[in-house]
Formats: sequence, structure tokens, C-alpha cells
Amino acid sequence: EAAVTQSPRSKVAVTGGKVTLSCHQTNNHDYMYWYRQDTGHGLRLIHYSYVADSTEKGDIPDGYKASRPSQENFSLILELASLSQTAVYFCASSDPGGLTGQLYFGEGSKLTVL
Amino acid sequence: GQQVKQSSPSLTVQEGGISILNCDYENDMFDYFAWYKKYPDNSPTLLISVRSNVDKREDGRLTVFLNKSGKHFSLHITASQPEDTAVYLCAAGANQGGSAKLIFGEGTKLTVSS
Repeated sequence: EAAVTQSPRSKVAVTGGKVTLSCHQTNNHDYMYWYRQDTGHGLRLIHYSYVADSTEKGDIPDGYKASRPSQENFSLILELASLSQTAVYFCASSDPGGLTGQLYFGEGSKLTVL
Repeated sequence: GQQVKQSSPSLTVQEGGISILNCDYENDMFDYFAWYKKYPDNSPTLLISVRSNVDKREDGRLTVFLNKSGKHFSLHITASQPEDTAVYLCAAGANQGGSAKLIFGEGTKLTVSS
């Protein structure tokens, strides 16, 4: 069974503070993704990576950085958290070798920025 | 703009009826189409997917229909049951230049009433 774990599962941050969301996968997948979920917007892609030490911008990268130090780990970094970044964040990994679409999601990280 | 759109934010179906969920996309390069199911406070899970070389795929009570000329695909759930009540997210993607990313729609909340 595929395994993607996220931490923290829930966090309250102050505006202007730094937030790091971490994701760890044990699937040996090359591709990893960060999505955010907002009501009425479904899942929107923030950043993704298909190899360690390299990241790509998704559809809504502004205000976010990503880091892929190893195949297993992918972090999402909010250097200056803002109210608009309150959301649930999902990390996912997918099968190597191109797009199969089988995303394995983590449990989600609920971020509240006050 | 939104590359993948689900025009109906919600749908209510009687138990035993057919649920039809629709999704439209913009990018001609998309060659992979999928439906994910999401319960509240849970992560999305893949239900069914199809590649662009087929126009229909069945899996039990689920059928995906793909209309490439119309840039539209749909999910039909026959004999709908209360446990089908969830948010359904359509997704589409394409392999481009060695990278791969999946774009999600906004989601349709399906309620199956008994």
C-alpha cells in the first residue's frame, strides 16, 4: 500500500510568519506534488517535482517555495504567511515513468493563518 | 483560467438512480482523464481513469465517457447508493517535456438520498 505522510496535520500560524509543511513518501515514486484545497476551487497545484533537487512551478506558485532534498521528501515553504493561504494542503506522489494519474495523497495539512 | 471545469457544484440523486457527473477541459494536449472521490476530512482517492485512445471505460457501477472533440468527459454511477455521497473531482493531464502534472476541477458534491 502506498504511503504518503504529511506533517504537521494542523497548524495555526501568524501573518508574516514562516511555515513549512513536510511530506514523506515510501512509494519510491519520482513525482511529488503539493496541492491546496479551497471550497469552490477543488485542488490547485502549487509546486511539483519529478526528481530530487529540482522543483517545478504549478498553477498557483506565488507566495510558496518548494524543496525536494531527496526522493522521499518534499516540503512546501511559506516564507511570509498570509491570510489568503489559509487552506488544506495535500501532498501526493505518483508512479514513476510519466503520467499514469494514480496520485497517492497524504492525509492533508490544515493551515490557519491569523 | 481554469483548465478543467466542473459546472455543477452539487448534485442530488435518489438511491438506485444514475448519477452523472460532468467535466470540461481546455487543453488539447490532455491525454489522461480521471475521477477522484473525496470524503470530508479525507484525502482524495482514484476511482477510475482513462487514456485518450479510448472513449469509454467501465468498472463495475462506474463508467467514464470521453468526448475528445467536445473536450468533455463524464462519470456515470449506476444504482447509486448512500455511500456514494462524497465530493467527486475530475482531473486531466498530459506528459509534456518529461514532466507530468494533473489538473483538477472544482469538484461536484454528490448526495444520494435514500
